Amino acid sequence: NAGVTQTPKFQVLKTGQSMTLQCAQDMNHEYMSWYRQDPGMGLRLIHYSVGAGITDQGEVPNGYNVSRSTTEDFPLRLLSAAPSQTSVYFCASRYIAGTGELFFGEGSRLTVL
Amino acid sequence: KNEVEQSPQNLTAQEGEFITINCSYSVGISALHWLQQHPGGGIVSLFMLSSGKKKHGRLIATINIQEKHSSLHITASHPRDSAVYICAVRRLKHGTASKLTFGTGTRLQVTL
Repeated sequence: NAGVTQTPKFQVLKTGQSMTLQCAQDMNHEYMSWYRQDPGMGLRLIHYSVGAGITDQGEVPNGYNVSRSTTEDFPLRLLSAAPSQTSVYFCASRYIAGTGELFFGEGSRLTVL
Repeated sequence: KNEVEQSPQNLTAQEGEFITINCSYSVGISALHWLQQHPGGGIVSLFMLSSGKKKHGRLIATINIQEKHSSLHITASHPRDSAVYICAVRRLKHGTASKLTFGTGTRLQVTL
């Protein structure tokens, strides 16, 4: 099992550029989510999805877009990158029912210049 | 005040010591998670608790729902336990899926 796969691991962007962080899971999890991790702060929820075709906003959604066309994939799009979006991004997934154990990707470190 | 508070923020211990990391929260929850993050690495789920106590190897997690408090204990600590330990709470469910609120983590370093 690959678990949760995130790409790329590192990315440097210039202000105004757009990019997509990819997230895929092979555990048939209904729930997928994106978090950002900043120094001195807890992980913060950007967007989440409870199934294909269903997405919703988290705490810090501005500047990010998501879609969920399949159960496996949940890409995060930065529409016009800003220095404030410099962060480490984590994708995570879980079953909605059951133990609720959360499975994380390895993280993507994004720097916006 | 953050809804999830961890203490201490930083902890240094010698190999073999018994370690306790605390988590207090101020909201109603359905479950609490303990996570581990190694330097430069991904995040791994250690425990999910809704009551009582769980044990896995040298790790023990307890929760007191009435006092809104959880502890993570590491017995016979080892340098490989050096990591950031994160507490997260699942708020009482509303809508289709309840969300997690995270603490800022406790950075543990275990020395020889």
